[in-house]
Amino acid sequence: EPEVTQTPSHQVTQMGQEVILRCVPISNHLYFYWYRQILGQKVEFLVSFYNNEISEKSEIFDDQFSVERPDGSNFTLKIRSTKLEDSAMYFCASSEWLAGGHYEQYFGPGTRLTVT
Amino acid sequence: DQQVKQNSPSLSVQEGRISILNCDYTNSMFDYFLWYKKYPAEGPTFLISISSIKDKNEDGRFTVFLNKSAKHLSLHIVPSQPGDSAVYFCAASGAGGTSYGKLTFGQGTILTVHP
Repeated sequence: EPEVTQTPSHQVTQMGQEVILRCVPISNHLYFYWYRQILGQKVEFLVSFYNNEISEKSEIFDDQFSVERPDGSNFTLKIRSTKLEDSAMYFCASSEWLAGGHYEQYFGPGTRLTVT
Repeated sequence: DQQVKQNSPSLSVQEGRISILNCDYTNSMFDYFLWYKKYPAEGPTFLISISSIKDKNEDGRFTVFLNKSAKHLSLHIVPSQPGDSAVYFCAASGAGGTSYGKLTFGQGTILTVHP
């Protein structure tokens, strides 16, 4: 069964450093998402991406964040200068074409980001 | 952001009995609702969904009920099995043309099914 994969599973970085989290969405999916879950809190939407551009982003997704689909398979989230409060579990998700309908999003296993 | 709320942080059920997980929402623009199951150190796994044009959707042991007037949905698991023990998240999204599928999640309910 196709699945979303994410690397690395755990990333430790120092405050102020740049990190890139990687995701490989399900191959025939066209919509891509990033969510995060800070320990003990809800899963929060960060950004959605379709047709090589951001479709929607949350207030959390400020200028320190960027997303990219550098090739036909990978989808990346970059945090330019990490802060302690960026420590969280980051989930990538993908879904099929929406076309006015709705499709379930399939999530990857997550990357645990620890900023020290 | 309290647009989707799961007021029960935990639920304990005996194997073979029914598990009922509840979810309330406040945003009337939501028209698609999903339930996800999550094990520790894993991503959310899609379970079942329902569109706002329906009031019930069934898939095997899982049934989701939607009461639009009360802005309430519930997930029924019958019969419950020990392997169902996990955190269950309710999620909602608005019309595809405006929100591109952004999901708003509840806080989650920890379900424990005892043998």
